[in-house]
Amino acid sequence: GAVVSQHPSRVICKSGTSVKIECRSLDFQATTMFWYRQFPKQSLMLMATSNEGSKATYEQGVEKDKFLINHASLTLSTLTVTSAHPEDSSFYICSASLRSGGTETQYFGPGTRLLVL
Amino acid sequence: KQEVTQIPAALSVPEGENLVLNCSFTDSAIYNLQWFRQDPGKGLTSLLLIQSSQREQTSGRLNASLDKSSGRSTLYIAASQPGDSATYLCAGFKAAGNKLTFGGGTRVLVKP
Repeated sequence: GAVVSQHPSRVICKSGTSVKIECRSLDFQATTMFWYRQFPKQSLMLMATSNEGSKATYEQGVEKDKFLINHASLTLSTLTVTSAHPEDSSFYICSASLRSGGTETQYFGPGTRLLVL
Repeated sequence: KQEVTQIPAALSVPEGENLVLNCSFTDSAIYNLQWFRQDPGKGLTSLLLIQSSQREQTSGRLNASLDKSSGRSTLYIAASQPGDSATYLCAGFKAAGNKLTFGGGTRVLVKP
């Protein structure tokens, strides 16, 4: 159980276009999902916390108008990179939070590799 | 300010040798510590989660310890195999915001 999927797994787009990435919890409901970005040979950096039915909370330095997050249901959060530029090329990973027995655990998706030409 | 630090950044060992990966954290608010494995171009695989009330967790050849007083966690991998080659990430969990803060990772290469 506790499987998280992401779609697409890889996307190549032209500079200036917008790209939407989906994150789904397949067998559980997640009131909270998280979006991370990972540049080559670097660790994961939290971009934002996505709560179902409310606005996302962005980390310092992350442009909320550039990275639009929608968490419309308990199993789906989307990240839209608007007007993407080459510097947005990165590996984007989501996680979904599941609380069980008083412990909060994040389950990670397989990631989406974005390449902006 | 780096809240979670992993040393070394890279490690190369011959097959069969034991691996010792270190993770240190400065934020006392971190109370759970989780170790992940990441293969190149892939997502994260959770290895071990050590809760604040625990001092260590074991799974097969893997053992992770947690010392909150010193802000340190260590991941031991016994009798390493080439298939253990990957990047290992530790992450501290803080109750505030339910956030995970990741270390920079240790890239491990086990040579046959």
